Amino acid sequence: QKEVEQNSGPLSVPEGAIASLNCTYSDRVSQSFFWYRQYSGKSPELIMSIYSNGDKEDGRFTAQLNKASQYVSLLIRDSQPSDSATYLCAVNMDRNDMRFGAGTRLTVKP
Amino acid sequence: NAGVMQNPRHLVRRRGQEARLRCSPVKGHSHVYWYRQLPEEGLKFMVYLQKENIIDESGMPKERFSAEFPKEGPSILRIQQVVRGDSAAYFCASSPPGTLSSGYTFGSGTRLTVV
Repeated sequence: QKEVEQNSGPLSVPEGAIASLNCTYSDRVSQSFFWYRQYSGKSPELIMSIYSNGDKEDGRFTAQLNKASQYVSLLIRDSQPSDSATYLCAVNMDRNDMRFGAGTRLTVKP
Repeated sequence: NAGVMQNPRHLVRRRGQEARLRCSPVKGHSHVYWYRQLPEEGLKFMVYLQKENIIDESGMPKERFSAEFPKEGPSILRIQQVVRGDSAAYFCASSPPGTLSSGYTFGSGTRLTVV
């Protein structure tokens, strides 16, 4: 079983819709969870972090964490074409390092 | 306050040559991580280093690859006798001492092409 799993997509949504990205992880002791956005040919940039069960909102982004189900999600409201990118889920492991999912490619169509 | 600096941005090597990738972490960050990304794939963990120590190298290929983070100077990822399959983007990230609570800061990456 992979440490961090994501649906690779591609996921396509119309402009203005809600994009929902999902991630599951295998290590029950993980405490910190992150979403990164990566544009083609660029480095990943951190957009959200979450540590406690429940929802965390930042502008159009909402991260959701359910530790019992080992599940993290990212919702993007009012999706814009500029949100088109690959979204990487990341989970901290023991000893302070982090593992990434394979990423979900999102396309927002005007 | 400069971010993570990686150089070179692009590196072309012939098969059998050596590749050296450099990473200078954010000032004050003592933890460095190296990841490899093949085209259209996610980030694969390679190695986690602190100053003069390798903490976790479980993602490093057993042969030809090595990494160091000396007391002075940048972290170096070294690939000996490169093969075409080594062509990828190599990203370095850094974090401050203590528990990982705020995520990594990534460098711009080094794109290695083996011809």
